[in-house]
Amino acid sequence: EPEVTQTPSHQVTQMGQEVILRCVPISNHLYFYWYRQILGQKVEFLVSFYNNEISEKSEIFDDQFSVERPDGSNFTLKIRSTKLEDSAMYFCASSVHRDFLSDTQYFGPGTRLTVL
Amino acid sequence: DAKTTQPPSMDCAEGRAANLPCNHSTISGNEYVYWYRQIHSQGPQYIIHGLKNNETNEMASLIITEDRKSSTLILPHATLRDTAVYYCIVNQAGTALIFGKGTTLSVSS
Repeated sequence: EPEVTQTPSHQVTQMGQEVILRCVPISNHLYFYWYRQILGQKVEFLVSFYNNEISEKSEIFDDQFSVERPDGSNFTLKIRSTKLEDSAMYFCASSVHRDFLSDTQYFGPGTRLTVL
Repeated sequence: DAKTTQPPSMDCAEGRAANLPCNHSTISGNEYVYWYRQIHSQGPQYIIHGLKNNETNEMASLIITEDRKSSTLILPHATLRDTAVYYCIVNQAGTALIFGKGTTLSVSS
């Protein structure tokens, strides 16, 4: 069964460093998402991406964050200058297409980001 | 904020049915009811979704009231591996999923 994959599973970085989290969405999916979950807190939406542009973003997704689909398979989240409070699990999700009345999002296993 | 209300926790004996309720009184006509679960810190796992009819798949059944203001997720024969946080989410296609705190289901032997 197709699934969303994410790499790395765990990333440790120093405060102020740039990190790139990678995701490979399900192959025929066209909508891509990033969510995060700080330890012990709710899963929070960051951004959605469709047709090579951001379609929706939350207040969390500020200028320190960017997303990109550099090729036909990868979807990346970049944090330019990490802060301690960026430490969280980051989940990528994908769905087929928004024109369907229902459009199930499937999640990857996540990347645990630890900022020291 | 999440548009759903769920009990914070529930217990279930292994082998019995687990019935998880959810209130979504402000659901709009084009929003579906989705259920996901999360085991430890793993990625949320899709379970089932529906609009107004009851739905069943290999994992669970979803019962939606006629007025669509509430629903119940049914795990027919709960196992220890069903211990997880269960999220009820109302969602319009292509939009962000808004997660609440969900219901922590504990299945015990």
